[in-house]
Amino acid sequence: TQLLEQSPQFLSIQEGENLTVYCNSSSVFSSLQWYRQEPGEGPVLLVTVVTGGEVKKLKRLTFQFGDARKDSSLHITAAQPGDTGLYLCAGPNPNAGNNRKLIWGLGTSLAVNP
Amino acid sequence: NAGVTQTPKFRILKIGQSMTLQCTQDMNHNYMYWYRQDPGMGLKLIYYSVGAGITDKGEVPNGYNVSRSTTEDFPLRLELAAPSQTSVYFCASRNLGGATEAFFGQGTRLTVV
Repeated sequence: TQLLEQSPQFLSIQEGENLTVYCNSSSVFSSLQWYRQEPGEGPVLLVTVVTGGEVKKLKRLTFQFGDARKDSSLHITAAQPGDTGLYLCAGPNPNAGNNRKLIWGLGTSLAVNP
Repeated sequence: NAGVTQTPKFRILKIGQSMTLQCTQDMNHNYMYWYRQDPGMGLKLIYYSVGAGITDKGEVPNGYNVSRSTTEDFPLRLELAAPSQTSVYFCASRNLGGATEAFFGQGTRLTVV
C-alpha cells in the first residue's frame, strides 16, 4: 500500500482548461513537496508546504496543504502544453526517527494538448 | 554548479554482466539516494546514505550494492545483471532536515538483454 496516494493517475486535457490533482495519506506529514518530471529528466522541485492550511502560488499553479497535514492539492489554472509532465508528491517518512527517507507518490501524468 | 551528475546516460548490458552507475554531487549534501523508476510505478528506493561510510537498504535492494567513501560520490553496483533490472535509475541528494529539496541527476536508462 502506498503511503501517499495520488489521483488521478492520468489526465489529458485541452490547453486553457483548469485542473486539480491530489495527494492523500492516512498519516500526518511534517511537510509535503511537489515535483514535476519531464520525459528523460529527473524530478524538479516545484514547492514545499509546511504549515497545515498553507496555500502557495507559483504563477498559474496553486498548492494547498490540508489543515490536518494529511493531504495536499495542486491546482493549475489555464493549463498550457508546457505544463505536460509527471507530477509527484513526496514527504519525509512520517515514522518517528526516520525522516531521512522521502516517501513518494506514484504521480499524476498530465498531458496538455494544444 | 553541476548539482548531481550521473553517468552513463544509457547502457545495454547482457544478462550476467556487471556494471557501476556513477553519481557525484557538488553541493556537500549529507543524504544521497538511488531510485529506480519503472513505467507507471513511481520511484522505488534502492539504497540510501546519510553520510560518508554509512549506507542503508531501501525498498528494493536485492541485486545491488553501494558504497559511500566520500561525501560527493555514491556509486551503485549491479553484480549479475538480470532482465528485471531493466529500468531508469536516478541518483538524488539533499541536505539535512525533513523539508529539504531533493536534487536529481538526469538518470541512467539501463536495458538488460
